[in-house]
Amino acid sequence: ILNVEQSPQSLHVQEGDSTNFTCSFPSSNFYALHWYRWETAKSPEALFVMTLNGDEKKKGRISATLNTKEGYSYLYIKGSQPEDSATYLCASLGGGADGLTFGKGTHLIIQP
Amino acid sequence: DAGVIQSPRHEVTEMGQEVTLRCKPISGHDYLFWYRQTMMRGLELLIYFNNNVPIDDSGMPEDRFSAKMPNASFSTLKIQPSEPRDSAVYFCASRARTGRWVSPLHFGNGTRLTVT
Repeated sequence: ILNVEQSPQSLHVQEGDSTNFTCSFPSSNFYALHWYRWETAKSPEALFVMTLNGDEKKKGRISATLNTKEGYSYLYIKGSQPEDSATYLCASLGGGADGLTFGKGTHLIIQP
Repeated sequence: DAGVIQSPRHEVTEMGQEVTLRCKPISGHDYLFWYRQTMMRGLELLIYFNNNVPIDDSGMPEDRFSAKMPNASFSTLKIQPSEPRDSAVYFCASRARTGRWVSPLHFGNGTRLTVT
């Protein structure tokens, strides 16, 4: 069983500010790192899937980086908006298995 | 595409009763996963199927839990007998085989189970 950790557990950010949070995962037998956005009363939706060390992905104001050698990924949100309020989940794929192991998420609240 | 469809959305049952959760994956997806969401443990993988065959059920908590996938368009997760500690949100997700390591999961809306 992989151990995927996310920090912080929750985060309050003022509208317009930029923020970032962390996902750490086992670096051995690594295959892929996923980020999902989960809004209240909805189901998780994929943001990014990354596989290569040094990979960077961007979607609008949200971007992510990946360091597979040290086992961490950062998610960045630039100029936070109220609609960014959600729980952000990361998940690691590794060890020869096809099932993603999820972290417990970072709960982001954007304050107007 | 309608996405992953789960039923029912909510289920309230008494301890000891049998509960069956249902899932229809996205057409053409070869992988199907069952996850359980609780406050304490987050999203936990229970079991997953590839081409209707169970591959890894090591996450199934007890023998009270069983899952089947009789065909490519339908899967069930059954709890018999149910207990209050089974109360959680159960998610089904599917994934395409193409680009195995880079295909994201597509989640259903979940079934919120309450066992009293």
